[in-house]
Amino acid sequence: KAGVTQTPRYLIKTRGQQVTLSCSPISGHRSVSWYQQTPGQGLQFLFEYFSETQRNKGNFPGRFSGRQFSNSRSEMNVSTLELGDSALYLCASSTVSGAQETQYFGPGTRLLVL
Amino acid sequence: DQQVKQNSPSLSVQEGRISILNCDYTNSMFDYFLWYKKYPAEGPTFLISISSIKDKNEDGRFTVFLNKSAKHLSLHIVPSQPGDSAVYFCAASALSGTYKYIFGTGTRLKVLA
Repeated sequence: KAGVTQTPRYLIKTRGQQVTLSCSPISGHRSVSWYQQTPGQGLQFLFEYFSETQRNKGNFPGRFSGRQFSNSRSEMNVSTLELGDSALYLCASSTVSGAQETQYFGPGTRLLVL
Repeated sequence: DQQVKQNSPSLSVQEGRISILNCDYTNSMFDYFLWYKKYPAEGPTFLISISSIKDKNEDGRFTVFLNKSAKHLSLHIVPSQPGDSAVYFCAASALSGTYKYIFGTGTRLKVLA
């Protein structure tokens, strides 16, 4: 079974631009979560989607948004990029939401904002 | 407010010895805990998990211990191997309320040959 895939793997943007990141979960997984990883901060939860609905949201500004499609693929959008948005963005999938379910991570998209 | 804390940013261990990574949490509602390993330029890889109804779970060289009264969990790796060198994250989740994983800031383990 193919793992979680994320595209693109690397991205360079400038302040004020917007960016869209894509995540394809493991086949059969319906829950997709997004995390931001920065040095010293660990993985910060952004949001979780399940069956095309946002189930949970972390403490990030409204510039960070996402959506999920009927095939469970998910996209994350960041508008009006700031230097501090430079990070590794990780996507994780699991079969269900709200259960003791292990999340499986993709390789991440490394975003650099100049 | 860091609900999951890994107070040791780094740890060095000799090959063949035991590695012990620690994690503390503050939210008593957490009832499921996981450990992930992360290599550079890769996403975290699931290692082992434990439910709050248990106090120990073992998988090969990896054992996780949970002390609910102390709100503490630890990951033991025996014997440690150079390939275990990576950043280890602990994570916690709660079934009730808002379901999401809270991650610690990670501990970088270096296993010396």
